[in-house]
Amino acid sequence: SAVISQKPSRDICQRGTSLTIQCQVDSQVTMMFWYRQQPGQSLTLIATANQGSEATYESGFVIDKFPISRPNLTFSTLTVSNMSPEDSSIYLCSVGRGPGDTQYFGPGTRLTVL
Amino acid sequence: KQEVTQIPAALSVPEGENLVLNCSFTDSAIYNLQWFRQDPGKGLTSLLLIQSSQREQTSGRLNASLDKSSGRSTLYIAASQPGDSATYLCAVEGGNNRLAFGKGNQVVVIP
Repeated sequence: SAVISQKPSRDICQRGTSLTIQCQVDSQVTMMFWYRQQPGQSLTLIATANQGSEATYESGFVIDKFPISRPNLTFSTLTVSNMSPEDSSIYLCSVGRGPGDTQYFGPGTRLTVL
Repeated sequence: KQEVTQIPAALSVPEGENLVLNCSFTDSAIYNLQWFRQDPGKGLTSLLLIQSSQREQTSGRLNASLDKSSGRSTLYIAASQPGDSATYLCAVEGGNNRLAFGKGNQVVVIP
């Protein structure tokens, strides 16, 4: 298993600002992911955070809006840039050890944009 | 694009009854299917993982079945308890650990 922590747990931000969310894992993992859960919706994959290279984004998500860093095998950040109320969501990071393996999720960051 | 549907969206049952939660997916080319539990203010907890070659998995009072060819999975929770009240999410992996989720089954178990 893996223990994952996220900071901050929640935040209220003003329109037009940016917020960086941190994800820390207690062990080295190959795969790290960022998901978004909008109110009343399912989780949607934003991107795969690749260690030492640029993140791989899913359709509908772009690097300018959601820049991601992954400096090592235990840590990643997601920035939500130039925020609008539509960005109000829960953002979750998750980790996996390879295709077909159980995936583990962090507690999430609840973001409200006014 | 994989589409995952969960029915019913919400249900309430009296304590002691068995719960049956359904999940369907459109693309049968999956690596595995996972059931998660989500509690308010907390992350997701993995309950059961069924590999594509398996037909079911069991853990305590929980049993999940998988019919890959028809694109269906069912989660059974026996003898429900108030502590089982949560949202249950079904997710399928299409490769590289990338998951597609349903919207969830919101369950309330009434004491």
